[in-house]
Amino acid sequence: GQNIDQPTEMTATEGAIVQINCTYQTSGFNGLFWYQQHAGEAPTFLSYNVLDGLEEKGRFSSFLSRSKGYSYLLLKELQMKDSASYLCAAVDSNYQLIWGAGTKLIIKP
Amino acid sequence: ETGVTQTPRHLVMGMTNKKSLKCEQHLGHNAMYWYKQSAKKPLELMFVYNFKEQTENNSVPSRFSPECPNSSHLFLHLHTLQPEDSALYLCASRQASEANTGELFFGEGSRLTVL
Repeated sequence: GQNIDQPTEMTATEGAIVQINCTYQTSGFNGLFWYQQHAGEAPTFLSYNVLDGLEEKGRFSSFLSRSKGYSYLLLKELQMKDSASYLCAAVDSNYQLIWGAGTKLIIKP
Repeated sequence: ETGVTQTPRHLVMGMTNKKSLKCEQHLGHNAMYWYKQSAKKPLELMFVYNFKEQTENNSVPSRFSPECPNSSHLFLHLHTLQPEDSALYLCASRQASEANTGELFFGEGSRLTVL
């Protein structure tokens, strides 16, 4: 079957760095998305990776290893507003999105 | 503001009621989606419409009935729901031609509680 694993909850300190991991098992692979969802709000797009390596966008970076079925989202210089859920979703061979259950990130002062 | 608007934001209904959720997108997209989001569970895809034609129905119970009158509007009609149907219902849209790289744009969701 197809499956996405990511931690349920993580806690980090304001100003620090946090890495949210995501492992996937899918029938074929056509890329991986990360979305951010603040409580009571819409999920919003953060990144899309289809090639191996690290892609940086300001304080956020996303990494992909296709051979390991692994991705991570790296958040630097954490701010209180980064408290949110982070959703990982892999695209399978039929271009369907397979979603993880999300990681709730709590930022403490 | 993501360009996808959902109403109502909150809905409480009894198991015998009939209600509808509405979604409208202002992005010119041609594909629209209904997802169910329950606490600590992955997003569950319910229905997909491409160019107003339903292309996915992921074994959703018939008490949920979608309607897509045009490429900008999507409805989810609800009747005789069960308490386990209580969840956040998210609408999303994207360009169907961007099959694997087009990001989904989500609405803020309709929080449904079934008593």
